[in-house]
Amino acid sequence: NAGVTQTPKFQVLKTGQSMTLQCAQDMNHNSMYWYRQDPGMGLRLIYYSASEGTTDKGEVPNGYNVSRLNKREFSLRLESAAPSQTSVYFCASSGQGSSYNEQFFGPGTRLTVL
Amino acid sequence: GDSVTQMEGPVTLSEEAFLTINCTYTATGYPSLFWYVQYPGEGLQLLLKATKADDKGSNKGFEATYRKETTSFHLEKGSVQVSDSAVYFCALSAGGTSYGKLTFGQGTILTVHP
Repeated sequence: NAGVTQTPKFQVLKTGQSMTLQCAQDMNHNSMYWYRQDPGMGLRLIYYSASEGTTDKGEVPNGYNVSRLNKREFSLRLESAAPSQTSVYFCASSGQGSSYNEQFFGPGTRLTVL
Repeated sequence: GDSVTQMEGPVTLSEEAFLTINCTYTATGYPSLFWYVQYPGEGLQLLLKATKADDKGSNKGFEATYRKETTSFHLEKGSVQVSDSAVYFCALSAGGTSYGKLTFGQGTILTVHP
């Protein structure tokens, strides 16, 4: 199993450009999450999807949109990138039953907005 | 709202030293508590967890005990190795409407010298 995969690994954008970060999991998990990681601030939740067909805002949703394409895939879109969105982005997923709150993380996407 | 506070870092130790990283939390109800570890250039990995008061989570020589009376979940290891150098995150999952979502502390950078 590959677990959680993310593409791309690195990206540089100019202010105002758009892009989509891709995430996929092969663990048959119901829930998926997008976080951003900034120095000294831990991880902050951008959006999450509790199950296929649903999405909800997290702590810092402004400037982002998401799509839960199917059970495996959850994408994050920046419509008009800003320097404040320079960060490392992590996708995660979690399953069912007694382990519903154990999250598995992808390797991250390092985004720089100039 | 829910929150997690970790001790200020970075922490620098010599190999075989004793490690403590403090973590306290604020949450309603009875959260589950986690420690995640992030090695350089990688995503987060679950290190250990505890789901109820007085539970002790342990893995790879690390331990943490869920103390409800002091709302704490401090991470300890008796003898650290150079390979333990990483960023450590304390997190909680509150359950209820926060089903599956995690709230993270700001992270503590640990560097272990030979």
